[in-house]
Amino acid sequence: AQSVTQPDIHITVSEGASLELRCNYSYGATPYLFWYVQSPGQGLQLLLKYFSGDTLVQGIKGFEAEFKRSQSSFNLRKPSVHWSDAAEYFCAVGARGGGADGLTFGKGTHLIIQP
Amino acid sequence: EAGVTQSPTHLIKTRGQQATLRCSPISGHTSVYWYQQALGLGLQFLLWYDEGEERNRGNFPPRFSGRQFPNYSSELNVNALELEDSALYLCASEGRLNTGELFFGEGSRLTVL
Repeated sequence: AQSVTQPDIHITVSEGASLELRCNYSYGATPYLFWYVQSPGQGLQLLLKYFSGDTLVQGIKGFEAEFKRSQSSFNLRKPSVHWSDAAEYFCAVGARGGGADGLTFGKGTHLIIQP
Repeated sequence: EAGVTQSPTHLIKTRGQQATLRCSPISGHTSVYWYQQALGLGLQFLLWYDEGEERNRGNFPPRFSGRQFPNYSSELNVNALELEDSALYLCASEGRLNTGELFFGEGSRLTVL
């Protein structure tokens, strides 16, 4: 069965500092990988996605992620965070066609930005 | 282009009552997924509808049910509400290309008292 692990429940970063959120997945085939962001009381917004090709993908709001097959990881990075980046971040894995369960999500990482 | 829309935004019910939540997918999208996001439990897959048919359901009791209409909008029904059903219910749609990318609505917050 597919699964996603986000080892960090909370992360605190100073405004302007760099950020890396970790994501490890377990999937039987070549995965489709996603990062979503959720502001309080809101739905999920797609930050970026990996389907195939270049393992470094660029997303919205200055985020990027790197797919490392050997490590089963898809870590999210941003060189300089802004106070507006404070939110919940979810990594997800899926397959073409959505699959029976749609996407499988990690538990999320809560990002806190210090002034 | 309008995104995924859900209604109502908030709903308060008491134990034993029924709740109905609605979702309109992005125009042209035929698949609708329902997720439950309860505090501390992350997103749990509930139901998947495609082309009007229920394709799969998650590990939830039968009192969670739904349907998809010919215009691809969807309804989630929760019968015999329990306190632990209090959660944010998220609807997502997927396009015909089946890329696996889901587009989410803002969610419906259900509170059971």
